[in-house]
Amino acid sequence: EVQLVQSGAEVKKPGESLKISCKGSGYSFTSYWIGWVRQMPGKGLEWMGIIYPGDSDTRYSPSFQGQVTISADKSISTAYLQWSSLKASDTAMYYCARQDWNHVYPFDYWGQGTLVTVSS
Amino acid sequence: EIVMTQSPATLSVSPGERATLSCRASQSVSSNLAWYQQKPGQAPRLLIYGASTRATGIPARFSGSGSGTEFTLTISSLQSEDFAVYYCQQYNNWPSLTFGGGTKVEIK
Repeated sequence: EVQLVQSGAEVKKPGESLKISCKGSGYSFTSYWIGWVRQMPGKGLEWMGIIYPGDSDTRYSPSFQGQVTISADKSISTAYLQWSSLKASDTAMYYCARQDWNHVYPFDYWGQGTLVTVSS
Repeated sequence: EIVMTQSPATLSVSPGERATLSCRASQSVSSNLAWYQQKPGQAPRLLIYGASTRATGIPARFSGSGSGTEFTLTISSLQSEDFAVYYCQQYNNWPSLTFGGGTKVEIK
């Protein structure tokens, strides 16, 4: 069974750093892209970026380039999304999702989401 | 960047009735269009890909159509579990994978 399991909810202060994770199982982790999607409170879905764990090829949405860093450790089938200095506006639910290597299909499996709250 | 526009923002429908949701792309995305369903407190779920192909396990009452810039998701007879928010997403202009703003389907 394909699963993407994300790390738990986080409460941070502005200026702090954070790294959240997404662990894949039930499939070949290095053969699919992992994307990250933001959902601010009461709002829609925003694509942030995507990584291919097989070779760490990473692409970012222009809206998020320079704001976050996406990485992966294929030895433990885990992708990451990290911030070096959080802002209150980073408060949101963050989802990871899987896409086929040739991007013929959309996101077919999603993680359960990680809620990030940034507040002083 | 391709902009995806969904309409209406909210759709009020009675159980058993038909719901028709629209999604428009600012430029052609061929048939590389997906629909997702999101219920409160849950992650999105893939319903339709390739504009018209149902994902595994999706009931036949969900159907998608369209190509190019105009797309439609139809729910033929709304069940109680179908009241949710629906998003379209283009994946033609990879790696840009833009979503529409969503349509909330609520009980009338």
